[in-house]
Amino acid sequence: GEDVEQSLFLSVREGDSSVINCTYTDSSSTYLYWYKQEPGAGLQLLTYIFSNMDMKQDQRLTVLLNKKDKHLSLRIADTQTGDSAIYFCAERRYGGATNKLIFGTGTLLAVQP
Amino acid sequence: DSGVTQTPKHLITATGQRVTLRCSPRSEDLSVYWYQQSLDQGLQFLIHYYNGEERAKGNILERFSAQQFPDLHSELNLSSLELGDSALYFCASSRDWNSYEQYFGPGTRLTVT
Repeated sequence: GEDVEQSLFLSVREGDSSVINCTYTDSSSTYLYWYKQEPGAGLQLLTYIFSNMDMKQDQRLTVLLNKKDKHLSLRIADTQTGDSAIYFCAERRYGGATNKLIFGTGTLLAVQP
Repeated sequence: DSGVTQTPKHLITATGQRVTLRCSPRSEDLSVYWYQQSLDQGLQFLIHYYNGEERAKGNILERFSAQQFPDLHSELNLSSLELGDSALYFCASSRDWNSYEQYFGPGTRLTVT
């Protein structure tokens, strides 16, 4: 099927690291993404990783990709209260006429001061 | 700010009515995508237009239709509205039909009463 799975909720303390996990379905996906949605706001593209990479680091964000297990994770170092939001992983389905994103269920990250 | 604009921000209407949601892509982007975010279905792809032509359809109901105009803005038309159509509707744009980056607008929140 098209389900991309994420845990629903994660609570961390300010200054700790957060790790948000995602399991995707299509082993042929070439790009995988992390989007952030703050309350009442749209979807902000945080980072993405190409499928031939195992890891990508971008300032406080680290993305790890395990293609064998179809597992993607987002680590946020030194988590701040401003990081509180819903985080969506997404996989790109591309082929023929199709170029669409399949989103996960979203993980609500709550950062406690 | 992604550069993608959507109007209106909020829309409240009654069952059986018809509404039109509007999206303006980023400057020079030729592709427009529509996604629906609802509590029961999550974030799902509806339809993709590239340079005025429909490119791919997702889980879009027959009561819904879209088009992309010569100036590249797009409209999503929702008719015979039902309570279950209440959702956040996002538009995204990308440079080309096969671009791997999609930039999302702030969304239109539709409430059907």
